Amino acid sequence: GENVEQHPSTLSVQEGDSAVIKCTYSDSASNYFPWYKQELGKGPQLIIDIRSNVGEKKDQRIAVTLNKTAKHFSLHITETQPEDSAVYFCAASIWNAGNMLTFGGGTRLMVKP
Amino acid sequence: ETGVTQTPRHLVMGMTNKKSLKCEQHLGHNAMYWYKQSAKKPLELMFVYNFKEQTENNSVPSRFSPECPNSSHLFLHLHTLQPEDSALYLCASSQDLEGTEAFFGQGTRLTVV
Repeated sequence: GENVEQHPSTLSVQEGDSAVIKCTYSDSASNYFPWYKQELGKGPQLIIDIRSNVGEKKDQRIAVTLNKTAKHFSLHITETQPEDSAVYFCAASIWNAGNMLTFGGGTRLMVKP
Repeated sequence: ETGVTQTPRHLVMGMTNKKSLKCEQHLGHNAMYWYKQSAKKPLELMFVYNFKEQTENNSVPSRFSPECPNSSHLFLHLHTLQPEDSALYLCASSQDLEGTEAFFGQGTRLTVV
């Protein structure tokens, strides 16, 4: 089965700096890679996703890059703000085969004002 | 609000109790999921339902029994649980099983004493 590794487990940055979270996956058949943000007391919420037919996707301050050859993908947050503080999860799945997400272990991001 | 509502938000139960977790989605989705989120482990998929039919049981012990009476409601019946079953149980839904966004509820924090 799929295995997703996520690093770092905690990340502390100064407000305004960039944050990068990296994930690797094991199943070369995986082709859908979403990122979720989980705030305290809430369920995970999708912030961005990427499919294997593109190498990069951007949405305002958030971007995701995908390297299918190396089987890794990364989340980039620029100009971080205190409200970006949360736990971020990467995930992988085969998009047309059951939508069953395998999650990474999570990264606790702390943005210091 | 994501459109996925879970009740109760918190539950404390003894090992001999029987209780049920409820999930309801108002998004018109056809697929629903149960995930387990433990403190030291990644989010784990437990069950998948599509059009009320169970399509995946991820080797979950029989003390967890899901029920999906219709596409909008999902239950998780709990019986004779162990303290290690204490976790946040998250329900999610998606339009279908083909790589569409999964929307999560806020979860039920379960403590088994």
